[in-house]
Amino acid sequence: EIVLTQSPDFRSVTPKEKVTITCRASQSIGSSLHWYQQKPDQSPQLLIKYASQSFSGVPSRFSGSGSGTDFTLTISSLEAEDAATYYCHQSSGLPTFGQGTTVEIK
Amino acid sequence: EVQLVQSGAEVKKPGESLKISCKGSGHIFTDYWIGWVRQMPGKGLEWMGVIYPGDSDTKYSPSFQGQVTISADKSISTAYLQWSSLKASDTAMYYCARHVSSGGADRNAFDIWGQGTMVTVSS
Repeated sequence: EIVLTQSPDFRSVTPKEKVTITCRASQSIGSSLHWYQQKPDQSPQLLIKYASQSFSGVPSRFSGSGSGTDFTLTISSLEAEDAATYYCHQSSGLPTFGQGTTVEIK
Repeated sequence: EVQLVQSGAEVKKPGESLKISCKGSGHIFTDYWIGWVRQMPGKGLEWMGVIYPGDSDTKYSPSFQGQVTISADKSISTAYLQWSSLKASDTAMYYCARHVSSGGADRNAFDIWGQGTMVTVSS
């Protein structure tokens, strides 16, 4: 099983700050890495597919990068509505999710 | 509008059976893999398995193989997740979700998610 490890687990951030979340895979997964945002009591929403492809309708402040085993989700300028838990998800092997990173607004 | 609408919350006793549903609309249901994802209370997301409604090809995570059954009725654009004997540890929110592109492999990003079905198993 491919294990995805996200860091940090939790981040408290002020509005307009830049936020970086990393996801490390236990083995190479090419670019088969996707990012989701889940707000409290809501379903997850796709932000980025295949490491760096922004999904339709997602604000441009969200971007993804990386390949192989190391990936990054960046929020360039945090807005209050971005308070959520973020998950990475790999579809190279049997699909798995990272444990999640919770972003709180200070 | 492409959407997946799931059946309502369920409260069951241990040992009971259950089948929850996920109805698709706004897209060609038979052309897209539909997956199920578990989220236990306060926890993260777990990939359970997927089904291709066009031919009912089904893949399971080893963690869920034999514990649940995924099926679909393409005539009514609906996918199902069922248990034959529920356990307290099955208490969770269950989401269905659609692969981001039609056809292809049994693994991909999910672009459309249902609203979730909360299953509570308690004596």
